[in-house]
Amino acid sequence: KQEVTQIPAALSVPEGENLVLNCSFTDSAIYNLQWFRQDPGKGLTSLLLIQSSQREQTSGRLNASLDKSSGRSTLYIAASQPGDSATYLCAPVGDQGGKLIFGQGTELSVKP
Amino acid sequence: EAGVAQSPRYKIIEKRQSVAFWCNPISGHATLYWYQQILGQGPKLLIQFQNNGVVDDSQLPKDRFSAERLKGVDSTLKIQPAKLEDSAVYLCASSSTGVYGYTFGSGTRLTVV
Repeated sequence: KQEVTQIPAALSVPEGENLVLNCSFTDSAIYNLQWFRQDPGKGLTSLLLIQSSQREQTSGRLNASLDKSSGRSTLYIAASQPGDSATYLCAPVGDQGGKLIFGQGTELSVKP
Repeated sequence: EAGVAQSPRYKIIEKRQSVAFWCNPISGHATLYWYQQILGQGPKLLIQFQNNGVVDDSQLPKDRFSAERLKGVDSTLKIQPAKLEDSAVYLCASSSTGVYGYTFGSGTRLTVV
């Protein structure tokens, strides 16, 4: 059974800092891994998708890496902004069916 | 492109009452998911439909929860009778391929008192 852990659970940083969010998963037999953002009272927004054959994926100030063999993924946010404040969730996908197994998320607060 | 629509946005009921949630996925998306998100936790899959057939309902408490997707489009999730521990946000998502292009609705926040 896949279990996903995200560290830290909460993070508060001043604006402009670079930061790293960590995700670990117990079953390395994944199809891909996705990172989502969740704003309070809102649904989830997909940020990045990394295929199991890829090592990393980039979108703007976001960079996600994947090490399947060690069961780890990191989300790097460069030059953080107050608008980045949200909860970030990682979710490995076990098969083509697309079932997401979520971690508990990292709540990020970026202070002006 | 319209997003995934869910209603109601909020619902407060007493324990042992019944409640139903509605989801309208993105047009053409064959796969529809219902997730339950308890406060402070990540979402947990309750049920997955492919068109109007159930693909995975292994984590659906079938003694009280039921879901259907008529004609492979809209879906309803029902809880009867509700328990205090059912208080959560219920998220609906759809995708065209099952792996890529997930779109989530804004969710229904249920409070059971």
